[in-house]
Amino acid sequence: EVQLVESGGGLVQPGGSLRLSCAASGFTFRSSWMTWFRQARGKGLECVANIKPDGSEKYYVDSVKGRFTISRDNAQNSLYLQLDSLRAEDTAVYYCARGVAFSWDYWGQGTLVTVSS
Amino acid sequence: DVVMTQSPLSLPVTLGQPASISCRSSQSLVHSDGNTYLSWFQQRPGQSPRRLIYKVSNRDSGVPDRFSGSGSGTDFTLKISRMEAEDVGVYYCMQGTRWPPSFGQGTKLEIK
Repeated sequence: EVQLVESGGGLVQPGGSLRLSCAASGFTFRSSWMTWFRQARGKGLECVANIKPDGSEKYYVDSVKGRFTISRDNAQNSLYLQLDSLRAEDTAVYYCARGVAFSWDYWGQGTLVTVSS
Repeated sequence: DVVMTQSPLSLPVTLGQPASISCRSSQSLVHSDGNTYLSWFQQRPGQSPRRLIYKVSNRDSGVPDRFSGSGSGTDFTLKISRMEAEDVGVYYCMQGTRWPPSFGQGTKLEIK
């Protein structure tokens, strides 16, 4: 059974940092594209960052470029998102998801990031 | 970026009746490899998104056959042949053809 479990969310002040983790199991993680999405409360879904199976290519949406860093550890079956210089508008539930052929078939349950003073 | 526009944004449907959601993209979703990477997701209250349909019309494993997807180019449709109580939630179309992937605003499906 495919499982994706996010952790690391919490309350942080504007300008602060957080590191999100996603533990994967039930599939060949090292062969899979992985992506972070987010969803502000009561709002729609937004893609944040994407990483190739071997970690050699990373893609970001413009709103987080230079502030967020996606990474992975294939030996640990783990995906990460480093969030720096956080802003109030980054407040959202962050989901990790497995990418397959330009779509995303499995999603985690999400972890909430709240940026507030 | 590709803009995805759904309609309606709210859809009350009587149990047992059909439902239809439209999704339009600002650019053609045909990829250079010839495929069209349009997916549909269901998000029940308090849950994470669940994929229902990929590449326009392919149903995911475990998805009831009352769900179907169709369309081409820039116009796509999700149809539910008979509304059931468990179908309540928000439905999103999503394109994966061009970076960044983008979603429609969501259609809230509820029981009339």
